[in-house]
Amino acid sequence: EVQLVESGGGLVQPGGSLRLSCAASGFTFSSYWMTWVRQAPGKGLEWVANMKQDGSEKHYVDSMKDRFTISRDNAKNSLYLQMNSLRAEDTAVYYCARSFQSGNSDFGYWGQGTLVTVSS
Amino acid sequence: QSALTQPASVSGSPGQSITISCTGTSSDVGNYNLVSWYQQHPGKAPKLMIYEGIKRPSGVSNRFSGSKSGNTASLTISGLQAEDEADYYCCSYVGSGNFVFGGGTKLTVL
Repeated sequence: EVQLVESGGGLVQPGGSLRLSCAASGFTFSSYWMTWVRQAPGKGLEWVANMKQDGSEKHYVDSMKDRFTISRDNAKNSLYLQMNSLRAEDTAVYYCARSFQSGNSDFGYWGQGTLVTVSS
Repeated sequence: QSALTQPASVSGSPGQSITISCTGTSSDVGNYNLVSWYQQHPGKAPKLMIYEGIKRPSGVSNRFSGSKSGNTASLTISGLQAEDEADYYCCSYVGSGNFVFGGGTKLTVL
């Protein structure tokens, strides 16, 4: 069974940093694109970033590319999101997602999400 | 990249069919057959319902179907059931490895 478990969320002050983790199991992690999607309270889904199987490609939404860094460790079956210079508008549930198949076309499996709250 | 345009809400009675539209541009929806649809119940993670515009993952009811015409993709739910009440989001590949979601549609089953 595919499982994705996010962690690392919490309360952080504006301007602070946070590193989210996503632990994957139940599939060959190194065979799939991985993605971060976020959802602000009461709002819609927003694509944040993704990363190719071998880490050779990574892509970001323009508004976050200077502050967020996606990475993965295939040996540890883990995906990460380093978030710097956090702002109040970054408050959201952050989901880790796996592509349905090996290509980069969709988000077939999702974790339960981890809440990041940016507030003083 | 601007968000795709979805109606804020749609409604239907049990047994009826409804269609949710997702309008983009010739740079996203119109340029790729890579629209996906997600169902999200309150407090839950999204669930993939349709991928590559028209394909349905195993386990998803055949009451759900996807289509596309020009720059607009659509999700149709036939034989509406109470459990279908949820938020629905479309998403399109926009090139260069990037994606954009629609604003979401709240489906109410009357």
